[in-house]
Amino acid sequence: GDSVTQMEGPVTLSEEAFLTINCTYTATGYPSLFWYVQYPGEGLQLLLKATKADDKGSNKGFEATYRKETTSFHLEKGSVQVSDSAVYFCALTRGGYSSASKIIFGSGTRLSIRP
Amino acid sequence: GAGVSQSPSNKVTEKGKDVELRCDPISGHTALYWYRQRLGQGLEFLIYFQGNSAPDKSGLPSDRFSAERTGESVSTLTIQRTQQEDSAVYLCASSLDLFADRLNTEAFFGQGTRLTVV
Repeated sequence: GDSVTQMEGPVTLSEEAFLTINCTYTATGYPSLFWYVQYPGEGLQLLLKATKADDKGSNKGFEATYRKETTSFHLEKGSVQVSDSAVYFCALTRGGYSSASKIIFGSGTRLSIRP
Repeated sequence: GAGVSQSPSNKVTEKGKDVELRCDPISGHTALYWYRQRLGQGLEFLIYFQGNSAPDKSGLPSDRFSAERTGESVSTLTIQRTQQEDSAVYLCASSLDLFADRLNTEAFFGQGTRLTVV
């Protein structure tokens, strides 16, 4: 069945470091891919998305490119800030009225940024 | 409303009691999801609704768990005879019709209900 595998955490970086959080997926067809973020004490919210191969999602300085050939959707940011400390979830969904339409999440990666 | 609303925000219950958790999705969202998040862990899928039908209830952990949805609005998740292992944050999310518009399938989450079984 469909699945998402993401880099295990926790990840600790210094401010202004480069960030990569790896995410790979297994799915038939053409899923939509997402990164969600959960800041401390807050609800889960969408960070960025891509709906087809080679699309790049971007928001708040974060980027991820939908790579069908490597079934990956790695999250990157060139210079992290303390305010980026959160838990990041990679996810996929497949459109269509079927049992595969649920959102499938990775296990989450906790990111901590040191000042 | 402006966002997904869940109630109560916190619930403490005694082991063996029944609890009912409520979710009000964003108006016009036909898809509704329930997830469970145990402390420090990822999101565990419970059930998904398309309108008031549940195409996928594969994640419900046991027959103590049930959910229903009225039309394309409110959903309730009921846990009967609660156990300590049911303690978690229960998250609800809604999204537009996945079948009609795959470009806007992101889900909007509520703040969750924190359930503590003592």
